[in-house]
Amino acid sequence: GAGVSQSPRYKVAKRGQDVALRCDPISGHVSLFWYQQALGQGPEFLTYFQNEAQLDKSGLPSDRFFAERPEGSVSTLKIQRTQQEDSAVYLCASSSSGIRAKNIQYFGAGTRLSVL
Amino acid sequence: AQSVTQLDSQVPVFEEAPVELRCNYSSSVSVYLFWYVQYPNQGLQLLLKYLSGSTLVESINGFEAEFNKSQTSFHLRKPSVHISDTAEYFCAVNFNFGNEKLTFGTGTRLTIIP
Repeated sequence: GAGVSQSPRYKVAKRGQDVALRCDPISGHVSLFWYQQALGQGPEFLTYFQNEAQLDKSGLPSDRFFAERPEGSVSTLKIQRTQQEDSAVYLCASSSSGIRAKNIQYFGAGTRLSVL
Repeated sequence: AQSVTQLDSQVPVFEEAPVELRCNYSSSVSVYLFWYVQYPNQGLQLLLKYLSGSTLVESINGFEAEFNKSQTSFHLRKPSVHISDTAEYFCAVNFNFGNEKLTFGTGTRLTIIP
């Protein structure tokens, strides 16, 4: 596709459920990022990949959060035993090169997760 | 700690009036600076960026931002706004050139009054 695609767009989970959020980056993009955007806040960094290598996972809030990109393309963000504080919009972005930070990050529309 | 501050959470402006959205960051080293815009129910789109060179950068739709190193600011301006500029605007900073992650401000909601 032409842009970053995220699915599902909306997810409602009961507290304690596991969820998996998918991101399809722009074809050929080397870097992939996950951000969390709480209501009324700016996006906050969670983790990022260059190809299949997870270079930085310092923003993952707990060990319930896990991200993978096994073939260097599609990525999945998994949240185990969801809690109400996990409710947020999860944004995925990709950029064309892993060389430094001057490349534009292109964002998907996000997945809105509501934990009841 | 490295941080990005957008002091104005909401800015109402009359149509065709000028606007300035403020962004300050905390860092003593070189940074890359970005403004992203988020229209309702859409993803973030890059508006403009400063990497190096001229401190004044412009977008194709009339916005401009000026990098001020001494004041650690990157304010966004437009001389005459339109209804279509209604959106949320986020300032973002890359503090470490070896790591591509962005640190975002909390956003400014720009509302255009007809």
